[in-house]
Amino acid sequence: AQKVTQAQTEISVVEKEDVTLDCVYETRDTTYYLFWYKQPPSGELVFLIRRNSFDEQNEISGRYSWNFQKSTSSFNFTITASQVVDSAVYFCALGGSGNTGKLIFGQGTTLQVKP
Amino acid sequence: EAGVTQSPTHLIKTRGQQATLRCSPISGHTSVYWYQQALGLGLQFLLWYDEGEERNRGNFPPRFSGRQFPNYSSELNVNALELEDSALYLCASSLADYVNTGELFFGEGSRLTVL
Repeated sequence: AQKVTQAQTEISVVEKEDVTLDCVYETRDTTYYLFWYKQPPSGELVFLIRRNSFDEQNEISGRYSWNFQKSTSSFNFTITASQVVDSAVYFCALGGSGNTGKLIFGQGTTLQVKP
Repeated sequence: EAGVTQSPTHLIKTRGQQATLRCSPISGHTSVYWYQQALGLGLQFLLWYDEGEERNRGNFPPRFSGRQFPNYSSELNVNALELEDSALYLCASSLADYVNTGELFFGEGSRLTVL
């Protein structure tokens, strides 16, 4: 069975702090895809990143960075120098190798960045 | 370029009624996905349409159905509404195969309230 666990339900930080959102996944597929999405109050999910299982290279995009570790089945997301505009719900998601069109989402982590 | 658009934004129905939600994908996208985001249940995959055909459906009863039109827009129908159908219904679109293209684009959702 496929599963995504985001153990942190809510995180509150003060602006300019660094914050890491945890994501642990379970899958039996040898090829799979991991995603992070941001859901601001308006509701739409905004794509942040996709990582293929065969590419363990970590990625940095501005203040965002992602740490993919197959050995621990984790795909953690770090925001450096957080800003109030980062306040949102963040979802980690897993897609299998079969063409099912289905993503398995974690329960989401609500991040509140206070000024 | 217009993003994924959904209508209506809000819909209020009573138990036993039918609800119809609509989605227009990004121009050029042939796949449409429907997700339910109910309180406490997270994002659950509902349906995937591609090229007018239903390709996959999630673990939902048959009273959840839909279709995709020749212009690739889609409709989600929920019959015999129950209180627990109250949720935000998110539509997403992608090029034919998100596994290869890597990204789903989401709309802002339709919030269905069942009284």
